[in-house]
Amino acid sequence: KNQVEQSPQSLIILEGKNCTLQCNYTVSPFSNLRWYKQDTGRGPVSLTIMTFSENTKSNGRYTATLDADTKQSSLHITASQLSDSASYICVVSPLNDYKLSFGAGTTVTVRA
Amino acid sequence: DTGVSQNPRHKITKRGQNVTFRCDPISEHNRLYWYRQTLGQGPEFLTYFQNEAQLEKSRLLSDRFSAERPKGSFSTLEIQRTEQGDSAMYLCASSPGGGANYGYTFGSGTRLTVV
Repeated sequence: KNQVEQSPQSLIILEGKNCTLQCNYTVSPFSNLRWYKQDTGRGPVSLTIMTFSENTKSNGRYTATLDADTKQSSLHITASQLSDSASYICVVSPLNDYKLSFGAGTTVTVRA
Repeated sequence: DTGVSQNPRHKITKRGQNVTFRCDPISEHNRLYWYRQTLGQGPEFLTYFQNEAQLEKSRLLSDRFSAERPKGSFSTLEIQRTEQGDSAMYLCASSPGGGANYGYTFGSGTRLTVV
């Protein structure tokens, strides 16, 4: 069983609207949680990194939250743009382990 | 140094042929990783180098796969006798080390299609 579960699997939103992606994880103990954006045919690019003691981290129109007690994280995209169309992957870095645990990603499609 | 570089970006090969991919990590990073990603899935760990030493290989890495990092700088991933199931995106990443894995950076990947 994957230690990082993401939902929804995919979503379609209209340009200018907001959306929220969910990530539940069981990795413990962990060092940090990241959200990556992956455009089609490209490698993942880091959006945010949060340590276990941080609750929120923003990067422009992207805001990530973390609840280490419930082992949940979310990524909120504000005022979506066509360029936000991509896969968003939740990644947990276990404590003192070089192997990251990846979710399967949420595919976001922004339509004009 | 602008990031992790992978070549080629795309590779189409016939079943049974051998292919080799190259990864140039960020120069000051001593850790290098190879991942495989299929459509709709997150990356799956294949192997890990610290400097020139290959410290771990996933069970996903069959005998047909071999990776090297001869001088602790660039790395190559070779697939022998390719099969259609090998079609995937092969991602390389590097990091400077440390338990928190900060600075973990991915390349743009090599898309392999086996026909």
